[in-house]
Amino acid sequence: QVQLEQSGAEVKKPGASVKVSCKASGYTFTSYYVHWVRQAPGQGLDWMGIINPDGGYTTYAQKFQGRVTMTRDTSTSTVYMELSSLRSEDTAVYYCARGSKWFDPWGQGTLVTVSP
Amino acid sequence: QSALTQPASVSGSPGQSITISCTGTSNDIGGYNYVSWYQQHPGEAPKLMIYDVSNRPSGVPDRFSGSKSGNTASLSISGLQPEDEADYYCSSYTTSSTRVFGGGTKLTVL
Repeated sequence: QVQLEQSGAEVKKPGASVKVSCKASGYTFTSYYVHWVRQAPGQGLDWMGIINPDGGYTTYAQKFQGRVTMTRDTSTSTVYMELSSLRSEDTAVYYCARGSKWFDPWGQGTLVTVSP
Repeated sequence: QSALTQPASVSGSPGQSITISCTGTSNDIGGYNYVSWYQQHPGEAPKLMIYDVSNRPSGVPDRFSGSKSGNTASLSISGLQPEDEADYYCSSYTTSSTRVFGGGTKLTVL
């Protein structure tokens, strides 16, 4: 079945970077876009951007432009999301999700905690 | 891109029907038939319930339905069941090829 398996929880200090991975299985990796969405504690969903695994083309939300980089490795069917210059407000669960105009399925989420 | 507007909470009794609204602009909901809805239980990842305004993925009960009029989309749930209690989020494609979510609605089944 289609699955997205994300990397484990991270704890980072302010100013550092974090790189979260999302390994796809059960479908042709290059045939579907992958989104990144984050959810701060007790808050709603926030769309970060999208990557086309076939070519690596990306579109980022304006609020993350300059701080986020999405890449992919077609040899391992894995997409990555790197967020730099971390601050406390970046503490959140980060999800990857397959799709173009909608999101299905979702990964299990990766908790990133930013704390001094 | 501003978030889509949803009511913070709605409630209903088992067996009743409820509707959750999601209001955007002509740059998102009003401009495309690419509205989707997600259900999220505490501690879990969101689950797709409706896509392209009114289509249900396989496995989603037909008690769930979606519609759109102008810049406002709606999710309706009939025959409410206790397991429907969750947070619900709408999402839309936008003119800048980005995606936007609503702020979320907490559904309480009384």
